Amino acid sequence: DADVTQTPRNRITKTGKRIMLECSQTKGHDRMYWYRQDPGLGLQLIYYSFDVKDINKGEISDGYSVSRQAQAKFSLSLESAIPNQTALYFCATSDGPGTGGNAGELFFGEGSRLTVL
Amino acid sequence: AQKITQTQPGMFVQEKEAVTLDCTYDTSDPSYGLFWYKQPSSGEMIFLIYQGSYDQQNATEGRYSLNFQKARKSANLVISASQLGDSAMYFCAMRETNNNDMRFGAGTRLTVKP
Repeated sequence: DADVTQTPRNRITKTGKRIMLECSQTKGHDRMYWYRQDPGLGLQLIYYSFDVKDINKGEISDGYSVSRQAQAKFSLSLESAIPNQTALYFCATSDGPGTGGNAGELFFGEGSRLTVL
Repeated sequence: AQKITQTQPGMFVQEKEAVTLDCTYDTSDPSYGLFWYKQPSSGEMIFLIYQGSYDQQNATEGRYSLNFQKARKSANLVISASQLGDSAMYFCAMRETNNNDMRFGAGTRLTVKP
């Protein structure tokens, strides 16, 4: 099983619908992130969380909300989806910089492809 | 403001040759980390290499090395002896210690020719 699991992997929805993308991890990391990927723009940070009580906005948080239900779970919601939110969404985790000599690199889920019609 | 710049949308390299993928960054934080990730056509994100801002030597991981020029704020990825499986998107990323989030560049698509 993957260490970072995203559901659903693919979703097609209509404008105005509420959508939730879920992420769960078994790595025991405190830090979790949501990114979206658009062609030519790389990955843009939506929200991130360093523990259950900590939520931070990223570069492009407008139109999105998140919930950190537990250390292992971090969900992303689109309250009223619009077509320009069509993208590939990644969840990622990290144990932070310098922990045990690690770089604190991100570990990614496999991505959730969302299409808003 | 964009903090990570990758100026090469696409690059081609002949198999078995070396290639350099450019990355420049902007930060006022004296403590930061620089990362490179690979994204094959299958879509997963794979961590390749890391360089800390205080590291004295350039990072190396197998065929990957990071040409870190701190004064120029550049962190170029060098892939030696390119293989067909190296064809992918490559992303440069930076984490500032004060912010602790991680921001990415727009990426470079590398194609290795047989």
